[in-house]
Amino acid sequence: EDKVVQSPLSLVVHEGDTVTLNCSYEVTNFRSLLWYKQEKKAPTFLFMLTSSGIEKKSGRLSSILDKKELFSILNITATQTGDSAVYLCAVEALAAGNKLTFGGGTRVLVKP
Amino acid sequence: GAVVSQHPSRVICKSGTSVKIECRSLDFQATTMFWYRQFPKQSLMLMATSNEGSKATYEQGVEKDKFLINHASLTLSTLTVTSAHPEDSSFYICSGSLGRGKTEAFFGQGTRLTVV
Repeated sequence: EDKVVQSPLSLVVHEGDTVTLNCSYEVTNFRSLLWYKQEKKAPTFLFMLTSSGIEKKSGRLSSILDKKELFSILNITATQTGDSAVYLCAVEALAAGNKLTFGGGTRVLVKP
Repeated sequence: GAVVSQHPSRVICKSGTSVKIECRSLDFQATTMFWYRQFPKQSLMLMATSNEGSKATYEQGVEKDKFLINHASLTLSTLTVTSAHPEDSSFYICSGSLGRGKTEAFFGQGTRLTVV
């Protein structure tokens, strides 16, 4: 059974801090790993990672994948209160037909 | 990105009644749609995979007779919660996929169901 574990469960930081979120996985025939941000409603897509060692960046957010150690990290630099959300990690296996297995999420609260 | 529209965003119903939730892909054809359930402060749990023109594939532990899924066209999938009970109260989210080779899922806005 595919498994995705995120850590920490939650964290509280102040504006301007940097946060690092972790996602480890066990999946048969890994295809891709995705990061989503969920505020009040549906998740919004952040990154999709398929290859090890290639950092993806979008503004203050970046993410990287290590397929040997089976984990990914999501970094948020110079955090803002608008970064407060639950960050979800999901993996897709080959032949899974786009079916995603989600981790439990990390709840981030950024205080002014 | 592609847009998935989910309605209603919030519904309150009485125990024993049925509720239908619609999920439409507005600017792409979703050969596959996924239905998730999310309890407060928990992650998304896949309920079923809906393929256009065929029966849905349900995850273990999900009652197919209770959660009826229809995917009659490439742009519309529906989830009907039949004979709803208070324990069915939850946040239901659909997502559409562009198909094989395109992993990124596009989520609907979600439906918060409260059964009283």
